[in-house]
Amino acid sequence: QVQLVQSGAEVKKPGSSVKVSCKASGGTFSSYAISWVRQAPGQGLEWMGRIIPILGIANYAQKFQGRVTITADKSTSTAYMELSSLRSEDTAVYYCARDQEWELVILDYWGQGTLVTVSS
Amino acid sequence: EIVLTQSPGTLSLSPGERATLSCRASQSVSSSYLAWYQQKPGQAPRLLIYGASSRATGIPDRFSGSGSGTDFTLTISRLEPEDFAVYYCQQYGSSPTTFGPGTKVDIK
Repeated sequence: QVQLVQSGAEVKKPGSSVKVSCKASGGTFSSYAISWVRQAPGQGLEWMGRIIPILGIANYAQKFQGRVTITADKSTSTAYMELSSLRSEDTAVYYCARDQEWELVILDYWGQGTLVTVSS
Repeated sequence: EIVLTQSPGTLSLSPGERATLSCRASQSVSSSYLAWYQQKPGQAPRLLIYGASSRATGIPDRFSGSGSGTDFTLTISRLEPEDFAVYYCQQYGSSPTTFGPGTKVDIK
């Protein structure tokens, strides 16, 4: 059974950066991809990007290009999402999720979510 | 990018009733690469359906998906108390993957 456990809630100032971690257990970390999806308060789901750990290749939604960096550490089965130049609109719950297949974003296991609050 | 529209925004039904949720895409979704997720308050989404009609592991058979091209449907044959939640469709046939705004199924 795959489990994804995310780091705890964060409060950040506008203009700063946040880095959220997602530790995987069960399954084989390197054999699947990890996506990051965010959800602003009371809003829908927004895909940010993904990484294939075994290849170290990440791709990002155009909206976040230049502001988001997704990395993975195969030795600890942990993926990371760093978002920079934070603004109030980035206040959201950030989820990591396993992509069922390399080529397709079918999200079959999810982390518990990490609330990031951006406030001065 | 493909824009998904879901209707209705809210569906008020009683336990035991049938729920029919719609998801329409702004352009054809290739290979019926359409998924449905359920989300309850304070929880992460849960994958229900992928490939338009394939149930994910452990999903009860009262959930079914259908459709192709630009029009897709999620049907819950008989609502159980635990089915009252928000449902999102997602297309993954075109990059970037996109989600619909959701349909809330609440208790009448």
